[in-house]
Amino acid sequence: AQSVTQPDIHITVSEGASLELRCNYSYGATPYLFWYVQSPGQGLQLLLKYFSGDTLVQGIKGFEAEFKRSQSSFNLRKPSVHWSDAAEYFCAVGGMGGSQGNLIFGKGTKLSVKP
Amino acid sequence: EAGVTQFPSHSVIEKGQTVTLRCDPISGHDNLYWYRRVMGKEIKFLLHFVKESKQDESGMPNNRFLAERTGGTYSTLKVQPAELEDSGVYFCASSQEWNTEAFFGQGTRLTVV
Repeated sequence: AQSVTQPDIHITVSEGASLELRCNYSYGATPYLFWYVQSPGQGLQLLLKYFSGDTLVQGIKGFEAEFKRSQSSFNLRKPSVHWSDAAEYFCAVGGMGGSQGNLIFGKGTKLSVKP
Repeated sequence: EAGVTQFPSHSVIEKGQTVTLRCDPISGHDNLYWYRRVMGKEIKFLLHFVKESKQDESGMPNNRFLAERTGGTYSTLKVQPAELEDSGVYFCASSQEWNTEAFFGQGTRLTVV
């Protein structure tokens, strides 16, 4: 069965430090992969997505993610975290035939940023 | 342009009562999705509308949940009767086509006491 694992429930980083959020997926075919962010009081916002091609994907707000098929991973990175990045981050797999709405989500990683 | 809007933002009801959640998708979006996140768990897909038709309702937990989208515009999700385990955040999303980006609402937090 398809699934997404985000092993870290909560991460705290200092402002200005680098960030990497882990995501592993289980999917029978070539996956379509997504990262969403939910800031307090807001809906889910798409940060970036991978369908095919270059395995390093650039997203909004300075985030990037790298698809590694051999490791079944799609980790999210940011070189320098800002206090406004404090939020909950969700990795998702989807694309049954290309759908971007019928998604399987991980449990989320909550990011706290220390001043 | 208005995004996906959900009403109410919070709802507290007693076990056995009925609650109706509403989702207004982005204008022109034929595809509408409902999701639910129970505390500490994943966000789980409930169902997918294309216009007024249910395309996929494989995630609906049981027959206490009824989703409608009359006229293919806004959608409602009714829980009747509500149980304690129905507590969680219900998200709605919409997309123009089935293979284009889905935009999410801010969610409705439902608490059943």
